[in-house]
Amino acid sequence: QVQLNQGGTRILKSSETLSLTCGVSGGSLSGYTWSWIRQPPGRGLEWVGDIDQGGSTNSNPSLKSRVIISVDPSKKQVFLNLSFMTAADTALYYCARVVDNYSMDVWGKGTTVTVSS
Amino acid sequence: QSALTQPASLSASPGQSITISCTGASTDFGTSKFVSWYQLLPDKAPQLLIYDVTERPSGISSRFSGSKSGNTASLTISGLQADDEADYYCSSYRSNNPFIVFGGGTKLTVL
Repeated sequence: QVQLNQGGTRILKSSETLSLTCGVSGGSLSGYTWSWIRQPPGRGLEWVGDIDQGGSTNSNPSLKSRVIISVDPSKKQVFLNLSFMTAADTALYYCARVVDNYSMDVWGKGTTVTVSS
Repeated sequence: QSALTQPASLSASPGQSITISCTGASTDFGTSKFVSWYQLLPDKAPQLLIYDVTERPSGISSRFSGSKSGNTASLTISGLQADDEADYYCSSYRSNNPFIVFGGGTKLTVL
């Protein structure tokens, strides 16, 4: 059974760059799109972006090109870099596997990210 | 402000049925077959309940069902149980970026 391994807490200062890793166990990285989603405290889910099996990426226009998503197939890891962090980026960050119908069938438990000024 | 509108909260008693609505303003959503529903519980990975408007992944109880009429999708939970108390989110694929949008979430309380 595929599991996405995340966890822990990150504390950053304003203007720093967030780097997150999502490890895939029990299955393959290839053949799927991988997505990042975040949930600010007390608020709803927001799609951050994704990377498809060919390495093409998309990101939410609200994040103004601060997002870089990449993968390392040899390590079965998916990465998120989010630059110029502000307090508004404080959130629980999830990684998820996207299937053909654009639903996300496997999720990690998330990483808590706090940005302090 | 979320692209999809859900009621912020609902409550019902064990054994009852409830329906959570998810309304989109765009014709894109009105014609979309790619509507999904997720259950979020504290300290757990979110779980996919419904995909393609009406389909249930393997292992999801038949108490969960999805439907759609025009610009409103719905998740119905029948025979409510205490452990259905959770946050529920709808999601849809769009042809324009952002390609994935979520509703604001509905907090379900089982009294």
